[in-house]
Amino acid sequence: DTAVSQTPKYLVTQMGNDKSIKCEQNLGHDTMYWYKQDSKKFLKIMFSYNNKELIINETVPNRFSPKSPDKAHLNLHINSLELGDSAVYFCASSHWSLYGYTFGSGTRLTVV
Amino acid sequence: DAKTTQPPSMDCAEGRAANLPCNHSTISGNEYVYWYRQIHSQGPQYIIHGLKNNETNEMASLIITEDRKSSTLILPHATLRDTAVYYCIVRVEGSGGSNYKLTFGKGTLLTVNP
Repeated sequence: DTAVSQTPKYLVTQMGNDKSIKCEQNLGHDTMYWYKQDSKKFLKIMFSYNNKELIINETVPNRFSPKSPDKAHLNLHINSLELGDSAVYFCASSHWSLYGYTFGSGTRLTVV
Repeated sequence: DAKTTQPPSMDCAEGRAANLPCNHSTISGNEYVYWYRQIHSQGPQYIIHGLKNNETNEMASLIITEDRKSSTLILPHATLRDTAVYYCIVRVEGSGGSNYKLTFGKGTLLTVNP
């Protein structure tokens, strides 16, 4: 069983469209994250949710809206996609006070 | 979180030990040292972490100097599949909010050669 699964794995879309990326974890973790890795390979945190509550929002444009229906899911919705949104997006999860994040395999978003 | 400094790249021969250094001279007493790696096109993978004592698991060993200002990740018998970017991160433990974020630097690209 995949611990942290993201769908889709690849996403190609036109500028201006709205898209969503889904993430699910079956580890029983209570904290989930979205990271963005750009073309220069820097990994930057975007959001973090603990038990469905937003705890980290790293000055991400409000076109990005995370949604956590329950503590096993953290979805990322992006409105009005721009060329600069092209990147690999990673979902991760952890337990609130323990070590070790578990990352998903990433979603490669290409905006054309 | 304290900043870390790592060499941008290193090479290692297959079967030999790979020793990856990390400087974290401004580390605080309650900050742990974490190591993650990212194999090409995959999500980062947790390797090991420690506070003061040396640690070992099935993947690697972590050696932390007595003053805690630097550490070394050791892969005892590197294989071609260990080629990856290795990230050294220092972070507080057991607190909430923004202290929980894992901040990645540039890391070290380790290339294991046949």
